[in-house]
Amino acid sequence: QSALTQPRSVSGSPGQSVTISCTGTSSDVGGYSYVSWYQHHPGKAPKLIIYDVTKRPSGVPDRFSGSKSGNTASLTISGLQAEDEADYYCCSYAGSFVVFGGGTKLTVL
Amino acid sequence: EVQLEESGGGLVQPGGSLRLSCAASGFTVSSIYMSWVRQAPGKGLEWVSIIYRGGSTYSAGSVKGRFTISRDNSKNTLYLQMDSLRTDDTAVYYCARGGDSLPFDSWGQGTLVTVSS
Repeated sequence: QSALTQPRSVSGSPGQSVTISCTGTSSDVGGYSYVSWYQHHPGKAPKLIIYDVTKRPSGVPDRFSGSKSGNTASLTISGLQAEDEADYYCCSYAGSFVVFGGGTKLTVL
Repeated sequence: EVQLEESGGGLVQPGGSLRLSCAASGFTVSSIYMSWVRQAPGKGLEWVSIIYRGGSTYSAGSVKGRFTISRDNSKNTLYLQMDSLRTDDTAVYYCARGGDSLPFDSWGQGTLVTVSS
C-alpha cells in the first residue's frame, strides 16, 4: 500500500495554469478509471474536485480538469485564483482498498 | 444537505482505546459506502477503514486487528473503535461518504486523536 507520488509543491501566478501529477502503478492508477482529486484547505474538510479521472462534481468550476496516461494521473488548474491556494491530494482505487498521494501544496504567487 | 459531524477525539495513552462517532444527516449511512480517513501531523491523507452497504468491513494493514468500523442505522451514525492505540495513530480522523471505487464526495470537519504518555 505505497502512497501515490505527487510533487511536494507547485506554484503559479494568478491567471496562469498549473498541472499536478500523480504517479502510481498498474495495480492502482494504471489499472482502473477510479482516480479522484481533493482540495484541502488546512483546518477544513477536504473537498472532492475530480472523480473517475475526468469528471467534475456539480459546483466545481471547469477551471479544474483531470486526465490520465498510463500510471500517471494529472490535475490541471487553469486561470489560477488566490482561493485555489491549498493542498491537493490524488486518490486511486487499488482493488479492495484506496491509496492517496502524499499531497501537493499549491502556492498562488 | 449532506452533513457529517465527527466527535470523540481526545488525548489517550499508548495502549488505550477510543471510540469515534460520525453523525450523518441528509442521507442514510446504510445506503452507501462509508469510510474513515486520517491525516497525521504534517503528513498526507491515509485511508483507514470502510463499511459497505451490506455491512462488511475492510481496514488498512496499519490498523487491521486494532480498529473496528461499524454503524448504527437507527442513529444514522458511523463509528470507529480504536484499540491498542500507538503514538503513530495520532492524527485528525475524518469520516467520509464513499470509498472503494466510489469517490469521497462528502467529508466531516475531523476530530483530533492524540496518543501520548
